[in-house]
Amino acid sequence: EIVLTQSPGTLSLSPGERATLSCRASQSVSSSYLAWYQQKPGQAPRLLIYGASSRATGIPDRFSGSGSGTDFTLTISRLEPEDFAVYYCQQYGSSPPAFGQGTKVEIK
Amino acid sequence: EVQLVESGGGLVQPGRSLRLSCAASGFTFDDYAMHWVRQAPGKGLEWVSGISWNSGSIGYADSVKGRFTISRDNAKNSLYLQMNSLRAEDTALYYCAKDRVAVAGAYYFDYWGQGTLVTVSS
Repeated sequence: EIVLTQSPGTLSLSPGERATLSCRASQSVSSSYLAWYQQKPGQAPRLLIYGASSRATGIPDRFSGSGSGTDFTLTISRLEPEDFAVYYCQQYGSSPPAFGQGTKVEIK
Repeated sequence: EVQLVESGGGLVQPGRSLRLSCAASGFTFDDYAMHWVRQAPGKGLEWVSGISWNSGSIGYADSVKGRFTISRDNAKNSLYLQMNSLRAEDTALYYCAKDRVAVAGAYYFDYWGQGTLVTVSS
């Protein structure tokens, strides 16, 4: 069973800054089957990225994903006010699918 | 527009049962695998169970295996989760989620419902 560890736990940034979120897997994620989700308070998660680097429908291009093997990154190039939220990575290359514990991006 | 509407949550005593439902619309339901994902209060996300388009492939998290049963009725565009022998640690918001990939399924999720809250307490 793959365990995902996200860092940092909390990221304090200002609008307009760049955010870099890390997701590390306990073993290699098959075929880069890694997704990222955004969750705002009181809302369901929203799919941002799949296949490590493909943006989901309607996701702005300020969101980008990269990585392979055990190390993955979500980058938000310039933070907009609506981007302050919790972000989760999820691997789906092996069973069971598993989520990281989340990174909170908060306004500094 | 894809819509997933969960129902059936509530307060239940430990050891009792509950059945969750998810009504789907806005897409061809019987083309896609469907899943249940839960989130304990203030915690992260946990995949609970998934079922293929034709119910031929089913999976469970170890934490619920033997206690929960997932099923679907394609004629009714509905997904279900029968939860037996409930424990305090099953307390969570339960989301119904659609698999992004048709037929084969890929176990990641492009649409989510708003969730139904299950509280297990005496």
